[in-house]
Amino acid sequence: DQQVKQNSPSLSVQEGRISILNCDYTNSMFDYFLWYKKYPAEGPTFLISISSIKDKNEDGRFTVFLNKSAKHLSLHIVPSQPGDSAVYFCAASYNNDMRFGAGTRLTVKP
Amino acid sequence: DTGVSQNPRHKITKRGQNVTFRCDPISEHNRLYWYRQTLGQGPEFLTYFQNEAQLEKSRLLSDRFSAERPKGSFSTLEIQRTEQGDSAMYLCASSQVVGASYGYTFGSGTRLTVV
Repeated sequence: DQQVKQNSPSLSVQEGRISILNCDYTNSMFDYFLWYKKYPAEGPTFLISISSIKDKNEDGRFTVFLNKSAKHLSLHIVPSQPGDSAVYFCAASYNNDMRFGAGTRLTVKP
Repeated sequence: DTGVSQNPRHKITKRGQNVTFRCDPISEHNRLYWYRQTLGQGPEFLTYFQNEAQLEKSRLLSDRFSAERPKGSFSTLEIQRTEQGDSAMYLCASSQVVGASYGYTFGSGTRLTVV
């Protein structure tokens, strides 16, 4: 059962513009939501997280928004840079059970 | 500390053979996780340890799979009688007991190809 879904397998944006990556989940018990970034031949790297009691968390160019009523979260990257090109995984956690989405490949064009 | 280390990076094996992978977590991390990732999918949970105790196993972990973490340090994942469907990237991650908000630290994975 896919409890975490990333419906866009890929996204292409121009350098300097905003990248918005989306994620939906089904289990209302999740209490933390995370984004990971993955480069080829490397494991996923933790990027940013948000607690279920918040609706926004910001860290530099990266902001995660959580809409609990819609069971939806998004990652905004502003401004996007070519080095941001990678696969981004959304993850949701409850009681040490972390589920991942299938990932969205972001390409930032110079 | 160089992060989570996994060996080997790549493994090609014939169907029916046994394989073993090793994971060395970050030394101060109590928890160690094994995930499997296939092409076009996100990591899927297999099992996790708190110190040396294996606390949870996914139903994905058939009886051909066994994981150990002796002395609560490194961990091994063994697959017996490998099948072609076992071909995947096997990822190890570690974390502190508390701190879901900080995420896991993943290793670079072991890519298994069963021919």
